[in-house]
Amino acid sequence: EAQVTQNPRYLITVTGKKLTVTCSQNMNHEYMSWYRQDPGLGLRQIYYSMNVEVTDKGDVPEGYKVSRKEKRNFPLILESPSPNQTSLYFCASSPYRTSGRTFGPGTRLTVT
Amino acid sequence: DQQVKQNSPSLSVQEGRISILNCDYTNSMFDYFLWYKKYPAEGPTFLISISSIKDKNEDGRFTVFLNKSAKHLSLHIVPSQPGDSAVYFCAALYNNNDMRFGAGTRLTVKP
Repeated sequence: EAQVTQNPRYLITVTGKKLTVTCSQNMNHEYMSWYRQDPGLGLRQIYYSMNVEVTDKGDVPEGYKVSRKEKRNFPLILESPSPNQTSLYFCASSPYRTSGRTFGPGTRLTVT
Repeated sequence: DQQVKQNSPSLSVQEGRISILNCDYTNSMFDYFLWYKKYPAEGPTFLISISSIKDKNEDGRFTVFLNKSAKHLSLHIVPSQPGDSAVYFCAALYNNNDMRFGAGTRLTVKP
């Protein structure tokens, strides 16, 4: 089945403890991106990648890192999480720039 | 700075009638627009898109209209069905991969 998977689906952590949310797609898509969803703000793009080793900042990149070493994987790294990063995170992929994104199921992160 | 705005947080329509969801944007550099639908506890699902060089795109019950001079787009759903009840997001794309979303409109279709 063509899909985007994210792990973990739920995570509760403490301020300052480094964490990684994994994202993987099995559709051989070029483009991948990360979003966070907050009430009243919709989805905001954190980082995106147009191909292996090519990444760029989105709307809200502060406090996040990404890497794209393989086409299928695009992990999101929070080096020192803070409570304002408590949010619902989505990973997405698409075959080309103007195609609709396929989204993962989401990761709900709580930072205390 | 919210570059894509959905000013109606919610919309309620009767089954079988037309649903019209609206979206405004501020930046004329956007070159592609998309609509997504989201059910609770799931990721958004792509619905329909339109290039900035077009003014209409149709796919079954869904039609998107783009008015570039007004920086406005709308999604029409005809006829509306109870299964269409969800949150709808419009999104706008720059010529890199930078995509901006609106805050969403919750559509409720009543039987």
